[in-house]
Amino acid sequence: AQSVTQPDIHITVSEGASLELRCNYSYGATPYLFWYVQSPGQGLQLLLKYFSGDTLVQGIKGFEAEFKRSQSSFNLRKPSVHWSDAAEYFCAVGGGGGADGLTFGKGTHLIIQP
Amino acid sequence: NAGVTQTPKFRVLKTGQSMTLLCAQDMNHEYMYWYRQDPGMGLRLIHYSVGEGTTAKGEVPDGYNVSRLKKQNFLLGLESAAPSQTSVYFCASNGPGLAQETQYFGPGTRLLVL
Repeated sequence: AQSVTQPDIHITVSEGASLELRCNYSYGATPYLFWYVQSPGQGLQLLLKYFSGDTLVQGIKGFEAEFKRSQSSFNLRKPSVHWSDAAEYFCAVGGGGGADGLTFGKGTHLIIQP
Repeated sequence: NAGVTQTPKFRVLKTGQSMTLLCAQDMNHEYMYWYRQDPGMGLRLIHYSVGEGTTAKGEVPDGYNVSRLKKQNFLLGLESAAPSQTSVYFCASNGPGLAQETQYFGPGTRLLVL
């Protein structure tokens, strides 16, 4: 069965500092990987996705993620965070064809210190 | 283009009452999904549909029923609500094929069962 682990429940970062959120997955075939962000009381917004090709993918809001097959990881990074980045971040894995839905990690709550 | 919409936004039920949550999408997507989100649990798939007239069980289907009578609508029913079904419910949709793997989420329905 597929699974996603986000080891950090909470992360606190100072505004302007760099950020890395960790994501490890377990999947039997080639994974399709996603990062979503959720602001309080809101739905989920897609930050970026990896299907194939270049293992470093760029997303919206200045985020990027790197797929490392050998480590089964898909970590999210941002060089300089802004107060508006405070939110819940979810990593998800899915299969080909989009039929079976996504398996989500439990999320990482990002706190930005002034 | 409204994307994915959910009705209602918030509802309070008493134990044993029934209700139906409506999800509608205007993107002509084949696949639709219902997830529930609980604190510290991420999102978990309840049921999904790969096309009009079809439904399938996800990870946590017990206590819920679904119907997809029209391609654009996916209904989630609770026949006899229980406090354990207090949650935030998200609907999502996507089209088939690799290029359509991205799921688009609705704004969510907050359900409180007393």
